[in-house]
Amino acid sequence: RKEVEQDPGPFNVPEGATVAFNCTYSNSASQSFFWYRQDCRKEPKLLMSVYSSGNEDGRFTAQLNRASQYISLLIRDSKLSDSATYLCVDYGGSQGNLIFGKGTKLSVKP
Amino acid sequence: DAGVTQSPTHLIKTRGQHVTLRCSPISGHKSVSWYQQVLGQGPQFIFQYYEKEERGRGNFPDRFSARQFPNYSSELNVNALLLGDSALYLCASSLGLASGGETQYFGPGTRLLVL
Repeated sequence: RKEVEQDPGPFNVPEGATVAFNCTYSNSASQSFFWYRQDCRKEPKLLMSVYSSGNEDGRFTAQLNRASQYISLLIRDSKLSDSATYLCVDYGGSQGNLIFGKGTKLSVKP
Repeated sequence: DAGVTQSPTHLIKTRGQHVTLRCSPISGHKSVSWYQQVLGQGPQFIFQYYEKEERGRGNFPDRFSARQFPNYSSELNVNALLLGDSALYLCASSLGLASGGETQYFGPGTRLLVL
């Protein structure tokens, strides 16, 4: 069974902190990965894709380590508005479906 | 442009009843996928439809069925509801077949409570 594992947290950090989340995936053949953000009682929204070479979008950096089959998300200079659940996603479902982790909850405090 | 829309937003049913959930994809998108998200879990794949045909099915019982209409909107039907069917049901649309790596955009979901 193809799975994605994440630390559920919660991660409680002060504003301005740097925080990192990791997740592991079981399907070594998977090619595409994403981080989605989900606010309380809302739908998941695409945060960023994850590329083998690593990619950065403002304060967010995503990394993929194929050898160890893990993905990371680094958030620098945390804002109160970053408080949400971050879902690690493997796009390697056998039917073109997304495989979600359970999510990591982040709470940024003033 | 409107995003993915779903109706109803909330629904309360009792065990044994039947429910129909509806989804309209982003204009121009031809693929619709359905996911179930139970509290505290990540979304789980139920179905994918592309060009009105079922292209994928997750590990859900036959009580769950779906279809896609000529205008690419979709319905998810659940028969003989169980308490465990209480969840947020999410619809995601993509331009093409999701197995091609198309980005999937989620609607706001339908929150179903089974009593």
